[in-house]
Formats: sequence, structure tokens, C-alpha cells
Amino acid sequence: GEDVEQSLFLSVREGDSSVINCTYTDSSSTYLYWYKQEPGAGLQLLTYIFSNMDMKQDQRLTVLLNKKDKHLSLRIADTQTGDSAIYFCAERAAGNKLTFGGGTRVLVKP
Amino acid sequence: GAVVSQHPSRVICKSGTSVKIECRSLDFQATTMFWYRQFPKQSLMLMATSNEGSKATYEQGVEKDKFLINHASLTLSTLTVTSAHPEDSSFYICSAEDGTTNEKLFFGSGTQLSVL
Repeated sequence: GEDVEQSLFLSVREGDSSVINCTYTDSSSTYLYWYKQEPGAGLQLLTYIFSNMDMKQDQRLTVLLNKKDKHLSLRIADTQTGDSAIYFCAERAAGNKLTFGGGTRVLVKP
Repeated sequence: GAVVSQHPSRVICKSGTSVKIECRSLDFQATTMFWYRQFPKQSLMLMATSNEGSKATYEQGVEKDKFLINHASLTLSTLTVTSAHPEDSSFYICSAEDGTTNEKLFFGSGTQLSVL
């Protein structure tokens, strides 16, 4: 079955880059997503990548996909205190269902 | 980006009552909507897939008679938690698939249900 894993916690200083990693198991994934969740709120779609791409950049966000290793990462450049949140990666496979990782809590220190 | 409106954002109810949660796509048509449940500090667990005009598809272990889903139009899906009990207390989030792009899944702001 599908399984998506992320590290639990990341601490970073304001202005530095953050890198959040994610691994997945389903080789039939079509799209992979990164969502941001702030306390008590829904999920905000940050970016997504099609499975035949290996990189996507969108302003401060860079997504890298290693399909061979089934490894996805999200890099946030010039991390700000407003970036503190929980970040979920998700894979989309058969049936268009999303399978989420457990979430990575990012804490940005001033 | 596309907006998904979820209402109410918070509800407190007595045990045994039913609660309805609405999920609306505001600027796009959503042929498919998804309902998730999230426990504190945990990830999202898919409960069911809601297709406009047909019966919802429930994930294994989710009681369809307990969690009634109706997707009567291309912009509205509802989840009704029937005869709620304290163990149903959770954060419920819907998402909607933009039928034109078929790539993006947008989420509502969630509903925090507390059953006393």
C-alpha cells in the first residue's frame, strides 16, 4: 500500500534556507504536493510537481523530485517567521486520492 | 488560487445530536470532493470520496451510516455526523478537485467538532 513519510520537526533560523524531506512508496504517483497548515486552519496548497518532472521553482519555493529513490523535498529560501507551520507532503496515485505524510513542524527562530 | 469554503469552522454539540458540515467550491466546479479527518498533531486520514450525483465511496473502517455524505451539486458537498459521540470529536477538512485543471486539490479551512 501507499506510505508517505516525513521527518517530524525542523528548526531553522530566520533568513536561512529550510529543506523538508519526504519519501513515498507508490511508484504510480502522478502528482506530488506540498501543503502548509497553520494552527487550527485548513491546508494551503503551496506547490505541486508532476511525476515526470525533477524540479519546480516558484518564488522562494523549490521542489526536487527523485523518482528513482521516491524522494521529494521542499526548499524554502530566506525563511521567515511566517513560514512557521506544519508542512505536509502528499502523493496522488490511483483513484486520485491523496495520501499524506505525517507532517513536518517547522519552527523559524528569529 | 481557487477557494473552498467550509462551514461551520467550529461546532460544539451534545452527544446524540447530528451535525452537518458544508463544503463549497466558490469559483470552480468540483466534480469530486474529499472528506478528511485529522486528530491533534496527526496527519489527515481520508474518510470518503464524494462524487457529484452519485453515492460517496467510503474508506475502509469508515461507517457510511455514521458519516452521511451528499454531493448534490458541482459546488456543494455536505458531511453529516449522525448521532455524534465524544469519540467523533475531531478536525474535519474537505477538499475539492478543480475539474478543469485536474491537477490541483484545494482544501477548506476545516471544522473543529467537539461533542460533549
